[in-house]
Amino acid sequence: KAGVTQTPRYLIKTRGQQVTLSCSPISGHRSVSWYQQTPGQGLQFLFEYFSETQRNKGNFPGRFSGRQFSNSRSEMNVSTLELGDSALYLCASSLGQGAAETQYFGPGTRLLVL
Amino acid sequence: DQQVKQNSPSLSVQEGRISILNCDYTNSMFDYFLWYKKYPAEGPTFLISISSIKDKNEDGRFTVFLNKSAKHLSLHIVPSQPGDSAVYFCAAISSGAGSYQLTFGKGTKLSVIP
Repeated sequence: KAGVTQTPRYLIKTRGQQVTLSCSPISGHRSVSWYQQTPGQGLQFLFEYFSETQRNKGNFPGRFSGRQFSNSRSEMNVSTLELGDSALYLCASSLGQGAAETQYFGPGTRLLVL
Repeated sequence: DQQVKQNSPSLSVQEGRISILNCDYTNSMFDYFLWYKKYPAEGPTFLISISSIKDKNEDGRFTVFLNKSAKHLSLHIVPSQPGDSAVYFCAAISSGAGSYQLTFGKGTKLSVIP
């Protein structure tokens, strides 16, 4: 089975631009979660989607949004980019929703905002 | 305010010995705890989890201990192997009362010396 894939792997944007990141979960997985990892803040939860609905949300501003498609693929969008948005963005998929579900992470998309 | 703290940024252990990674939390509403391992340039990999109703969970060489009164959990790796060298993150989830919070520690870099 293929693992979680994320595209693109690397991205450079400038302040004020917007960006869309893509995540394809493991086949059969219906839950996709997004995380931001920075040296200063560590790993932080952004949001979780299950069956095309956002089920849980972390403490991030509205500039961060996402969606999930009927095939469980998910996209994350960040509008009006700020320098502090430079980070590694990770997505993880799991079969179902809930804390007890094992999450499988993708390799991440490294975003640099200049 | 960090609700999940890993106070040791790094740890070195001799191969074959026990590795003990520690994690403290402040939010008594956390009801589920997880440990992840992360190699450079890869996404985190789920290792082991524990519900707040338990005090120990074991999976092969990995055991997680939870001390709720001390708000402390630890991951024991016995025996440690060079392939265990990675950054280990603990994470905590609170999912009661219609709210959801997933918080990670900043990680501990484990080096297992052959």
